[in-house]
Amino acid sequence: DSGVTQTPKHLITATGQRVTLRCSPRSGDLSVYWYQQSLDQGLQFLIQYYNGEERAKGNILERFSAQQFPDLHSELNLSSLELGDSALYFCASRSNFGTFNYGYTFGSGTRLTVV
Amino acid sequence: DQQVKQNSPSLSVQEGRISILNCDYTNSMFDYFLWYKKYPAEGPTFLISISSIKDKNEDGRFTVFLNKSAKHLSLHIVPSQPGDSAVYFCAASGNRGSTLGRLYFGRGTQLTVWP
Repeated sequence: DSGVTQTPKHLITATGQRVTLRCSPRSGDLSVYWYQQSLDQGLQFLIQYYNGEERAKGNILERFSAQQFPDLHSELNLSSLELGDSALYFCASRSNFGTFNYGYTFGSGTRLTVV
Repeated sequence: DQQVKQNSPSLSVQEGRISILNCDYTNSMFDYFLWYKKYPAEGPTFLISISSIKDKNEDGRFTVFLNKSAKHLSLHIVPSQPGDSAVYFCAASGNRGSTLGRLYFGRGTQLTVWP
């Protein structure tokens, strides 16, 4: 157990629907990152939050949004889902914004299947 | 634009031999490099890292080499074991601009170690 909890582990939904993925970071970690891993693709950075504030945006579609709540858990909202959104979505956390000696701690991911 | 590149999607090595996984990067602002290992149905886990002020870092069977002039790093696993079979991701980060506080990942290399 990495300490980063993602729910649900699996999600199957129809095109056009909206889903919410949830992430609880490791205790004490203020930064949360969301990544998408599609077939044959690496880990594509979506968005980062630090202590409730958005810090960086990557290749996140306008149909996707995220937030980090006061208790530091984060949610990734995916709407108007398309078949191409089927992927593994990973959440990761780390303790501070500066030094990067040990990188992130990842959750086990949510596998989203859009049918 | 893939700033971290792993050009070999797969590598097959016999148990006991050396595994060499390669990674190239393009962004000169990167100054910290990490390797992650990923098993199926799990999130990536941190393996080893190296700062740009070093050219080698060793941890047990794992050694990472950095050639800054060539913008190239490699992960050596000696001796390779069947349990090392996993996807290995190369990642990079920096302390300036868009590289600050964010990891850029390669697409991964599937390592298979056979008996």
